[in-house]
Amino acid sequence: DAGITQSPRHKVTETGTPVTLRCHQTENHRYMYWYRQDPGHGLRLIHYSYGVKDTDKGEVSDGYSVSRSKTEDFLLTLESATSSQTSVYFCAISEGTSYNEQFFGPGTRLTVL
Amino acid sequence: AQSVSQHNHHVILSEAASLELGCNYSYGGTVNLFWYVQYPGQHLQLLLKYFSGDPLVKGIKGFEAEFIKSKFSFNLRKPSVQWSDTAEYFCAVNARGYQKVTFGTGTKLQVIP
Repeated sequence: DAGITQSPRHKVTETGTPVTLRCHQTENHRYMYWYRQDPGHGLRLIHYSYGVKDTDKGEVSDGYSVSRSKTEDFLLTLESATSSQTSVYFCAISEGTSYNEQFFGPGTRLTVL
Repeated sequence: AQSVSQHNHHVILSEAASLELGCNYSYGGTVNLFWYVQYPGQHLQLLLKYFSGDPLVKGIKGFEAEFIKSKFSFNLRKPSVQWSDTAEYFCAVNARGYQKVTFGTGTKLQVIP
């Protein structure tokens, strides 16, 4: 398995509170991604990064922000969590070649009450 | 933009039955194609991939997929399923040279002993 860790693995929080999820990689891959997984929707891209301090939006970016200050770390922040953000969040990495094979982290299950 | 359709949302098979899961994509250019598997409670793992060459690709655990360009399809097959194949299967497509991957909504496979 690729060296990807996510923290925390589980979190329960209340509506309106800020939440930060961390993805850490040891592969030195250039690209990092945040997805959310919901029943009936598969995986949907929230944000991705193509280098330190270089990020772009995915298809479901509203209510989320990201930061990447080091190659190995990619943070996802929910500024003010809502119940609709209850989901399982997966981080993924890729080398950034033309073939873009992605490797996934173990996931974070977030519940917003 | 690319899109992916998985027509079967839930498939139930008996052990030793043959499996075929449908995947169709829409994109006019060159694509990379993937099948990922997610076992219960786990993260996504790459099952197989197609970049170029022989349109029949073999993956891990006896799975294979066939790329039919004229039909924009990349169906997953296995001649004889096992109980341990119970999982959710995701088809994904990536436009060659771009870094975003689009996932289908997934097919849950349940294999009955």
